[in-house]
Amino acid sequence: NAGVMQNPRHLVRRRGQEARLRCSPMKGHSHVYWYRQLPEEGLKFMVYLQKENIIDESGMPKERFSAEFPKEGPSILRIQQVVRGDSAAYFCASSSERPPSPNYGYTFGSGTRLTVV
Amino acid sequence: GENVGLHLPTLSVQEGDNSIINCAYSNSASDYFIWYKQESGKGPQFIIDIRSNMDKRQGQRVTVLLNKTVKHLSLQIAATQPGDSAVYFCAEFVSGADGLTFGKGTHLIIQP
Repeated sequence: NAGVMQNPRHLVRRRGQEARLRCSPMKGHSHVYWYRQLPEEGLKFMVYLQKENIIDESGMPKERFSAEFPKEGPSILRIQQVVRGDSAAYFCASSSERPPSPNYGYTFGSGTRLTVV
Repeated sequence: GENVGLHLPTLSVQEGDNSIINCAYSNSASDYFIWYKQESGKGPQFIIDIRSNMDKRQGQRVTVLLNKTVKHLSLQIAATQPGDSAVYFCAEFVSGADGLTFGKGTHLIIQP
């Protein structure tokens, strides 16, 4: 009964490269959320997706960032032309229902730590 | 600005003592509050939640208190153990929003 799986755990990119972060939700979960965490800070909501649909991207930067959750396969958070300020931990969460609802089972993965050099 | 914040960045307690971690929020439309524990290198782990129509909820060794009058939330951990060392975040769900709003966190340090 695997939880939310994120990979890679650590990712190093040079400035200007692209970063691709993957998230496989828990079995039976069709709602995926991405968050970003800077050092010594709380998580910041970025985007909420259901299969093949972006529901809410209000927390995502308008440029260079995109997210998808295809019919088959994991959700992908893509950052183009990375800059040093993109260095952070990126967490994915999944749920069985749209929160807040009882027992929605909002569960976080272990994160991808992106370092831009 | 932040809707949810914490009073103390670090809390140091003796093993076996009770810990109280505090959180202030400013959004009256918050439906739901959650406490998370985050250990180094890991994702947030759910501890306990409370709906806005409640003022207290208890779990195993943990109690969450909600005071809507002063917009204050607290997490009480009984008989603190070394494994409780972590950063604790409160988070809120606001009606109509899709993401959680997190505070900055309190680092709980357990002294032997």
